[in-house]
Amino acid sequence: QAVVTQEPSLTVSPGGTVTLTCGSSTGPVISGHYPYWFQQKPGQVPTTLIYNTNNKHSWTPARFSGSLLGGKAALTLSGAQPEDEADYYCLLHYGSPWVFGGGTKLTVL
Amino acid sequence: EVKLVESGGGLVQPGGSLRLSCAASGFIFSDWWINWIRQAPGKGLEWVANINQDGNIQGYMDSVRGRFIISRDNAKNSLYLQMNSLRAEDSAVYYCVGGPHAGDWGRGTLVTVSS
Repeated sequence: QAVVTQEPSLTVSPGGTVTLTCGSSTGPVISGHYPYWFQQKPGQVPTTLIYNTNNKHSWTPARFSGSLLGGKAALTLSGAQPEDEADYYCLLHYGSPWVFGGGTKLTVL
Repeated sequence: EVKLVESGGGLVQPGGSLRLSCAASGFIFSDWWINWIRQAPGKGLEWVANINQDGNIQGYMDSVRGRFIISRDNAKNSLYLQMNSLRAEDSAVYYCVGGPHAGDWGRGTLVTVSS
């Protein structure tokens, strides 16, 4: 089974910009992996932020964007807010199965 | 409003079985793939299984293939997960995740495998 890698932790200043990445042990992440990004705040159920690389749900704040960058999937947060402090998980499709990354703990400080 | 409500979790001994259910409402259930995703206490998310719209294609993570069976009943807007030969490492909150573009999550049901 493929391994999906994320940064264990990142810190961003309020109002700053940060990029979280999602790599695959099988090679470059491509659009055919249909990358998803999820946010989970402490004690809460996860929410789906991004699907199919760069598509947002209606509830996804505009400051979040998804892309492919340097062979990885990327989630960029522009203008970080204190409420963005959370765990972020990416998910890649390998036909079947789907595989989550280990998550990135984002601190806004 | 989309709603996914899981049930069926509980305490079970190693080697035992449980059947989880997920009741869906607020969207056309039969139009979408649907997933089970789990999270052990203090750990990350783990995709467990999914099933296509008609129920004739299923996918499983390696460690549950052959022990878990995912199924759905579109007439009842319901998803199921039959879990057999349960192990301690299967202990987790199990979420039903579906709807358009996997945008909707239930609140989860806790499964604890312990003697």
